[in-house]
Amino acid sequence: EVQLLESGGGLVQPGGSLRLSCTASGFTFSNYAISWVRQAPGKGLEWVSGISGSAESTYYVDSVKGRFTISRDNSKNTLYLQMNSLRAEDTAVYYCAKARKGGWYFDLWGRGTLVTVSS
Amino acid sequence: EIVMTQSPATLSVSPGERATLSCRASQSISSNLAWYQQKAGQGPRLLIYGASTGATDIPARFSGSGSGTEFTLTISSLQSEDFAVYYCQQYNNWPWTFGQGTKVEIK
Repeated sequence: EVQLLESGGGLVQPGGSLRLSCTASGFTFSNYAISWVRQAPGKGLEWVSGISGSAESTYYVDSVKGRFTISRDNSKNTLYLQMNSLRAEDTAVYYCAKARKGGWYFDLWGRGTLVTVSS
Repeated sequence: EIVMTQSPATLSVSPGERATLSCRASQSISSNLAWYQQKAGQGPRLLIYGASTGATDIPARFSGSGSGTEFTLTISSLQSEDFAVYYCQQYNNWPWTFGQGTKVEIK
């Protein structure tokens, strides 16, 4: 089955760190760029970060630059998001999403993992 | 950053009726626009890309149109499973940005 499965979310204090994982199955993982997209409670979607299939290129929205690091292990079909210096405004469901070849739009999404930043 | 503005915020429609959702970009994005459907507790589902190309396994009642700054998603005859939130997304200019969503609810 073609799917993405996120894990690693939880409750963390402001200033803390968390690492999210996204495990892929059913397709050739290394052939596709993947992104993290988040959704604050009751709000819309916000693209956070992306990485090319070969991991040569990475991209971040300004609000997380310098705090979040995206990476991937193609041998394990797994995407990561290392989140440091977390803030209350980072509270959201984090989705991983597979990009179609030819454009940064997303044809496969996971169910998401909830990150809550609170003291 | 390109700002995507969707209207209306909420659309009340009866089953079987037509629904028309709008998305406007703050600057031209050519045809680099996608539409997604999201139901409660689920990740989004790709409906349309390239402004007007239907994604795999998407029913023909969903169609997209537009280019430049003005785009439309039309659902020709609403089914019960279509009541959800719909988002547009531009992928012409980094950072990729989404509209704030249109909720389609039962009238």
